[in-house]
Amino acid sequence: GDSVTQMEGPVTLSEEAFLTINCTYTATGYPSLFWYVQYPGEGLQLLLKATKADDKGSNKGFEATYRKETTSFHLEKGSVQVSDSAVYFCALTPNQAGTALIFGKGTTLSVSS
Amino acid sequence: GAGVSQSPRYKVAKRGQDVALRCDPISGHVSLFWYQQALGQGPEFLTYFQNEAQLDKSGLPSDRFFAERPEGSVSTLKIQRTQQEDSAVYLCASSKGQGGEKLFFGSGTQLSVL
Repeated sequence: GDSVTQMEGPVTLSEEAFLTINCTYTATGYPSLFWYVQYPGEGLQLLLKATKADDKGSNKGFEATYRKETTSFHLEKGSVQVSDSAVYFCALTPNQAGTALIFGKGTTLSVSS
Repeated sequence: GAGVSQSPRYKVAKRGQDVALRCDPISGHVSLFWYQQALGQGPEFLTYFQNEAQLDKSGLPSDRFFAERPEGSVSTLKIQRTQQEDSAVYLCASSKGQGGEKLFFGSGTQLSVL
């Protein structure tokens, strides 16, 4: 079945460092891909998405490009802030009505000043 | 309200007790999903409603788990005869349309079974 694999954490960075969180997927057909973020004590929030190959999703300085040839959707940010500390989840949906999101296990990011 | 609301925020149950978890989706949202998130894991799908119809319950782990959404708005997830392995955060999410992609999540109910 469809699945998502993301790098294990925790990822610990200093403020202004470059961030990459790897995500690869297995899916039949042409899924949509997402990054969700969960800040401490809050619910999951959509960070960015891409719906077809070569699309780049971006938000709040984060970017991810849908790479069909490598089945990847790596999350990047050029300069992280302490406020970016959170758990990041890569997810996909097979693009059928009523189909649930399939999540990776999550990667914890901790940014220190 | 402005977002998805779940109650209670925390629930402690003795093994064997029944529990009921409530979800108030965003008003007017057609689709409603329940997820289970174990510690250190990603959310795993439990069940899906489109309005009052439960269209997919393939993720429910056993017949002790039951969900309903009788009027197409508020939903309740019920767990009968709770077991320790049921301890997890239960997340509810809703979306405006029939597709699952633009989901709005509640903060979850953390269930601890002792």
